[in-house]
Amino acid sequence: GQQLNQSPQSMFIQEGEDVSMNCTSSSIFNTWLWYKQDPGEGPVLLIALYKAGELTSNGRLTAQFGITRKDSFLNISASIPSDVGIYFCAGQLATGNQFYFGTGTSLTVIP
Amino acid sequence: NAGVMQNPRHLVRRRGQEARLRCSPMKGHSHVYWYRQLPEEGLKFMVYLQKENIIDESGMPKERFSAEFPKEGPSILRIQQVVRGDSAAYFCASSPPRGQAKNIQYFGAGTRLSVL
Repeated sequence: GQQLNQSPQSMFIQEGEDVSMNCTSSSIFNTWLWYKQDPGEGPVLLIALYKAGELTSNGRLTAQFGITRKDSFLNISASIPSDVGIYFCAGQLATGNQFYFGTGTSLTVIP
Repeated sequence: NAGVMQNPRHLVRRRGQEARLRCSPMKGHSHVYWYRQLPEEGLKFMVYLQKENIIDESGMPKERFSAEFPKEGPSILRIQQVVRGDSAAYFCASSPPRGQAKNIQYFGAGTRLSVL
């Protein structure tokens, strides 16, 4: 299956700081999704991206579909304690319906 | 998570028993995916189904595990003769048919299986 490399694996930041994480693939994807998972819950969809270069925001979250179509980025501005959780990227190839998931970035926000 | 319903939320089984996990996709979604997640780990793809068809089961263990998505009713993930190593969170996700809507996937809240 497709391998998505997500980095960093974990982050410890101070409240108010900005956060950046990324996801890279060896294949070209035509859809990128970003999810957040809280402990004991299922992943919740944050942002969906469909075009190379696309930049989409959801409140303090901004995600970008990389120009090469092999990567995607998620930024969180002015982090707050409730941003704590695990963030997953997911990509879909041009054909087929399966989504391939990154290994996750664990975010800890220190008040 | 709105719309994808999984039950039960928690399931306790003794070794050797069978576990049945159910998933009802979002309205209008005809594609269902099952994932397994161990504590502190990512989502591991198990199987992808459309109504009455298994499309990709490359992530499914060869023995004891099976999945179905009948014409009527929810998708079922069945684990026979459970062992302690089957203890995990099992998530179901659904997506609309490709081309009929934006490519997207929504998750249920998961079933946490504990094998005693």
